[in-house]
Amino acid sequence: DVKVTQSSRYLVKRTGEKVFLECVQDMDHENMFWYRQDPGLGLRLIYFSYDVKMKEKGDIPEGYSVSREKKERFSLILESASTNQTSMYLCASSLVGGAPTGELFFGEGSRLTVL
Amino acid sequence: KQEVTQIPAALSVPEGENLVLNCSFTDSAIYNLQWFRQDPGKGLTSLLLIQSSQREQTSGRLNASLDKSSGRSTLYIAASQPGDSATYLCAVPPVGNQGGKLIFGQGTELSVKP
Repeated sequence: DVKVTQSSRYLVKRTGEKVFLECVQDMDHENMFWYRQDPGLGLRLIYFSYDVKMKEKGDIPEGYSVSREKKERFSLILESASTNQTSMYLCASSLVGGAPTGELFFGEGSRLTVL
Repeated sequence: KQEVTQIPAALSVPEGENLVLNCSFTDSAIYNLQWFRQDPGKGLTSLLLIQSSQREQTSGRLNASLDKSSGRSTLYIAASQPGDSATYLCAVPPVGNQGGKLIFGQGTELSVKP
């Protein structure tokens, strides 16, 4: 079974702190994604990556950056956390880079609260 | 621009009932459609993936159908159980694909009463 692991299920941070959210997948998938989910707004794509060292902006990249130094790991970085970044963050992966037909697998989510 | 709609937003049924969840999309040129389940406070679990060339997919008590021409998919749940209570989301790739990305509906929150 595909496993997508998010390192932290719950985080509480202060405004202005730098926050790292880590995601690891164990099935050699090429595509990795970061979404955020908010009530009434649904899932929105922040960043995605087709391959190591590659990254593409999603629909709401402002205030975020990402890092993909290894194929299995995709990190989301909040350079200076703000209260409007309080949200559920979901990491996902799919098999083939750039291909439309891959099934998407999600991690358990990271609930971030910024005070 | 592709848009995905799920109606109703919430549904409550008694245990044992067969039910249908609906998903509609505005652009019929999709590569595939995926159904997910989400339990409160958790991530999404993939249920079924239907390729554009397929009309339906089945997994246990779940059956998903796809009608591209009408821009619709349904998720049929047979003999519903309280453990089926969750939010169900459908998703499709955006127009022009943009490899691997998905556009999600807002979900239908299902409650199955014992």
